[in-house]
Amino acid sequence: KNEVEQSPQNLTAQEGEFITINCSYSVGISALHWLQQHPGGGIVSLFMLSSGKKKHGRLIATINIQEKHSSLHITASHPRDSAVYICAVRGRSGGGADGLTFGKGTHLIIQP
Amino acid sequence: DTEVTQTPKHLVMGMTNKKSLKCEQHMGHRAMYWYKQKAKKPPELMFVYSYEKLSINESVPSRFSPECPNSSLLNLHLHALQPEDSALYLCASSQGQADYGYTFGSGTRLTVV
Repeated sequence: KNEVEQSPQNLTAQEGEFITINCSYSVGISALHWLQQHPGGGIVSLFMLSSGKKKHGRLIATINIQEKHSSLHITASHPRDSAVYICAVRGRSGGGADGLTFGKGTHLIIQP
Repeated sequence: DTEVTQTPKHLVMGMTNKKSLKCEQHMGHRAMYWYKQKAKKPPELMFVYSYEKLSINESVPSRFSPECPNSSLLNLHLHALQPEDSALYLCASSQGQADYGYTFGSGTRLTVV
């Protein structure tokens, strides 16, 4: 079973700071997801990565398959970015209809 | 329509009640999932349906009974639950191929009293 580790677990930063959240996993994967969850709420999919880098607005996600590591960056952070960010991986068992294995999440607070 | 819709949003039920959670998507996704999330914990996979057939059951107690009546609808039938089953129940869907992402519903907050 894949072990997914995220760091840091908690992060408080000032508005405008550059944020980095890291994720590492133990077994080869077919895809890695970055997800966002607001308190008491559902989950929003931010990125799905199988290689390289993706950018959407102020969010950037990268993955290094060889090192089994991914990072999520937030540029010019804003209080509305405050949420739990979760890394989740999808196995290589084939078929595609596989559940995700989740990290424990990073609780991000951006202070004005 | 690019959403996964879950109803109800909140549910309080007694330990002797029978209730059902509903999940619906109209994106043509062929895989649908139930996850359980306890407070301050990551979601845990419960069931996977692929092409309307149950493909994964993560050793979930029989008091949780999934049903997939058609490719757009996924139900979770609840019976004789325990207070420790109180959690956020999340539904998700995907194309069922590794190259495609997931779409999550907003969840049903279940409280068992």
